Amino acid sequence: DAGITQSPRHKVTETGTPVTLRCHQTENHRYMYWYRQDPGHGLRLIHYSYGVKDTDKGEVSDGYSVSRSKTEDFLLTLESATSSQTSVYFCAISEGGSNQPQHFGDGTRLSIL
Amino acid sequence: GDSVTQMEGPVTLSEEAFLTINCTYTATGYPSLFWYVQYPGEGLQLLLKATKADDKGSNKGFEATYRKETTSFHLEKGSVQVSDSAVYFCALSIYNQGGKLIFGQGTELSVKP
Repeated sequence: DAGITQSPRHKVTETGTPVTLRCHQTENHRYMYWYRQDPGHGLRLIHYSYGVKDTDKGEVSDGYSVSRSKTEDFLLTLESATSSQTSVYFCAISEGGSNQPQHFGDGTRLSIL
Repeated sequence: GDSVTQMEGPVTLSEEAFLTINCTYTATGYPSLFWYVQYPGEGLQLLLKATKADDKGSNKGFEATYRKETTSFHLEKGSVQVSDSAVYFCALSIYNQGGKLIFGQGTELSVKP
């Protein structure tokens, strides 16, 4: 299995609080991605990174920010959490290129009350 | 825009039955196509892929053929097992777009003994 660790695995918090999710990889892959999974929507891309300090927006980026200060870590921040951001969040890594598969972490279940 | 459409689930089959999960796509470029599988409580795992027209991806008895003329990538297995019960996602990735994946909504498969 690809070395991807997401933390925390579960979190419950209140509306309006900041939340940071962490993705850590040991594969030295260049690309890292954050997705959210919601019933009926599959997975949707939030943000991705193609190198240290290089990030770009995905399909559902509003309300989220990311940072990548080291190759191995990719952080997802909800500056002021809302109930609509209750979801399961997955990190993925890839060597890059459209024909390269992505490898996924086990997910973080986030509930915002 | 680019999109993936999967047949709706849940799909319930008896053990040793034949499986087909339909997947069609819309893409402006030249996509690579993937099937991922998600077991309960886990992240997604790559099941198979195809990177150009007429390619056939295969793994663990599952197969899918990249059909450019019908923009399809249907997943098939000749004889399913209880252990195949999971959610299956079809996805595409467009060349030169950072390897971002666009997912279908997922199809839940339940195999009964």
